[in-house]
Amino acid sequence: AQSVTQLGSHVSVSEGALVLLRCNYSSSVPPYLFWYVQYPNQGLQLLLKYTSAATLVKGINGFEAEFKKSETSFHLTKPSAHMSDAAEYFCAVSRNTGGFKTIFGAGTRLFVKA
Amino acid sequence: KAGVTQTPRYLIKTRGQQVTLSCSPISGHRSVSWYQQTPGQGLQFLFEYFSETQRNKGNFPGRFSGRQFSNSRSEMNVSTLELGDSALYLCASSSTPDRNTEAFFGQGTRLTVV
Repeated sequence: AQSVTQLGSHVSVSEGALVLLRCNYSSSVPPYLFWYVQYPNQGLQLLLKYTSAATLVKGINGFEAEFKKSETSFHLTKPSAHMSDAAEYFCAVSRNTGGFKTIFGAGTRLFVKA
Repeated sequence: KAGVTQTPRYLIKTRGQQVTLSCSPISGHRSVSWYQQTPGQGLQFLFEYFSETQRNKGNFPGRFSGRQFSNSRSEMNVSTLELGDSALYLCASSSTPDRNTEAFFGQGTRLTVV
């Protein structure tokens, strides 16, 4: 069965510091992987997606993620955190078992300190 | 282009009652998925519809049901409400039901059961 595991329910960084949010996946077939962001009282917004075209994926707001098959990882990074990055981030894997279905990780809440 | 619209945004119901939530997808999108989000369980997949057919269902009791109309609008219904049904219910639409297709989320309906 396909699933994702996000390491760390909370991550705190200083403004200007590197952001690293960890995600490991489990999949018996080549996965389609996504990172979504959720701001308070909002729905989810797609940051980026991996669909096997390139291992380094660039997304919106300066975020990027690298697919590493050997480590079954898809970690999200941003070189310099901004206060507006404070939100909850979800890693997700897409399944197709007779129907489309996206499985989300538990989420990581990012805090950015001034 | 209007986004995914969910109505109502907030709802308070009493145990034992039933509730119907509505989702209007982005124009042209025919795939609609529903998720339940709670602090303890995170994002849990409820069901997915494409062209009025339920193609996938999550592990929820039969009290949770849904349907999709010919104009792609979708409704979900919860009967005999329990306190544990209090959650943010999110609807997402996609242009196609393919695995690599981005899902666009609405802002959700916050259901409180008292």
